[in-house]
Amino acid sequence: EDQVTQSPEALRLQEGESSSLNCSYTVSGLRGLFWYRQDPGKGPEFLFTLYSAGEEKEKERLKATLTKKESFLHITAPKPEDSATYLCAVRAGSARQLTFGSGTQLTVLP
Amino acid sequence: NAGVTQTPKFQVLKTGQSMTLQCAQDMNHEYMSWYRQDPGMGLRLIHYSVGAGITDQGEVPNGYNVSRSTTEDFPLRLLSAAPSQTSVYFCASRDRLGTGELFFGEGSRLTVL
Repeated sequence: EDQVTQSPEALRLQEGESSSLNCSYTVSGLRGLFWYRQDPGKGPEFLFTLYSAGEEKEKERLKATLTKKESFLHITAPKPEDSATYLCAVRAGSARQLTFGSGTQLTVLP
Repeated sequence: NAGVTQTPKFQVLKTGQSMTLQCAQDMNHEYMSWYRQDPGMGLRLIHYSVGAGITDQGEVPNGYNVSRSTTEDFPLRLLSAAPSQTSVYFCASRDRLGTGELFFGEGSRLTVL
């Protein structure tokens, strides 16, 4: 059974204080690891897809990396507008579906 | 572009009532799905469809029904609502090809009393 575990559940940072969110996964044949951002009362919004170990993707203050067992979402010099819940999901083997983690709620204080 | 549109945004039901959550997408996506989101449990797949006339069960299908008569629409029916179905429901779609990213609607918050 595919499993995705995100940590920490919640993270509070001061503006400018860089940190990383973790997504550990157990799947049979990874076909893609996805990061989403979800604002309160909204649907998840796609950020990145990573396909193989060693791959990295960047967007503004966010950088996603992938190893064979986990992915990190690095947030550099965050701003209050980066506050959101960040979701990780995997697509594995012949599955048509995504398996989601429970998310990390990030709060960036001014 | 409207993307994925869900209605209603909020709904309160009494136990035993039935209702339909509507989902429509204008991106000509073949794949559509319904998730529920509960605190601490992440998004769980209820039902999905890979094209008109084809549906299948996800992780938590009990108590829900779906149909896909057109590419654009994928309604979710609650046959006899139960308090355990209190949740936020998200419809999502993606292209059959491409990177596999899902496009989500804004969600429908359902409370069953």
